[in-house]
Amino acid sequence: LAKTTQPISMDSYEGQEVNITCSHNNIATNDYITWYQQFPSQGPRFIIQGYKTKVTNEVASLFIPADRKSSTLSLPRVSLSDTAVYYCLAYNAGNMLTFGGGTRLMVKP
Amino acid sequence: NAGVMQNPRHLVRRRGQEARLRCSPMKGHSHVYWYRQLPEEGLKFMVYLQKENIIDESGMPKERFSAEFPKEGPSILRIQQVVRGDSAAYFCASSPPELKETQYFGPGTRLLVL
Repeated sequence: LAKTTQPISMDSYEGQEVNITCSHNNIATNDYITWYQQFPSQGPRFIIQGYKTKVTNEVASLFIPADRKSSTLSLPRVSLSDTAVYYCLAYNAGNMLTFGGGTRLMVKP
Repeated sequence: NAGVMQNPRHLVRRRGQEARLRCSPMKGHSHVYWYRQLPEEGLKFMVYLQKENIIDESGMPKERFSAEFPKEGPSILRIQQVVRGDSAAYFCASSPPELKETQYFGPGTRLLVL
């Protein structure tokens, strides 16, 4: 069964743009891709969701290529408070819900 | 509009006891999901329920764990005869029926088994 995979960790500095890519090569045809942010001792918080191409909100952008086998969360000009774990969520073609393993982003001053 | 509610927030049990975790979804949400998160690890899907139905329990351990979402009242995750390895944070999420991927999470219940 195909997995949803993403890098375990990333480091960045304040003010930089951060891009986190998630691979979901067996994604279901009609389902959305969703990204979440989690701080220690808290539940995940919805960031952004998309089906294809590009979606932008006040927090982030989400880029999804035509084949939808991956997606990239883009955080513009990160700050220290963006240090968190970021998860992607997708349904695979077997209609099983799979979270990526999470990417631990560390933003340094 | 209250968010997803979970209680208790913290639960301490001795080995062999039972743990009951409760989740009240957001108003208007009929789908509930339970996840387990071990320390320093990612979210692991356990079970997906609609009112009075278990839709997907592929992530549930075969023994000691059960979940329900009755017609009235909260969803319950029940762990019988707890062991130390059950110590984890258990998160509940809910979604509207038409947007399964848009899940709103509760604050979690942190279970500690002594």
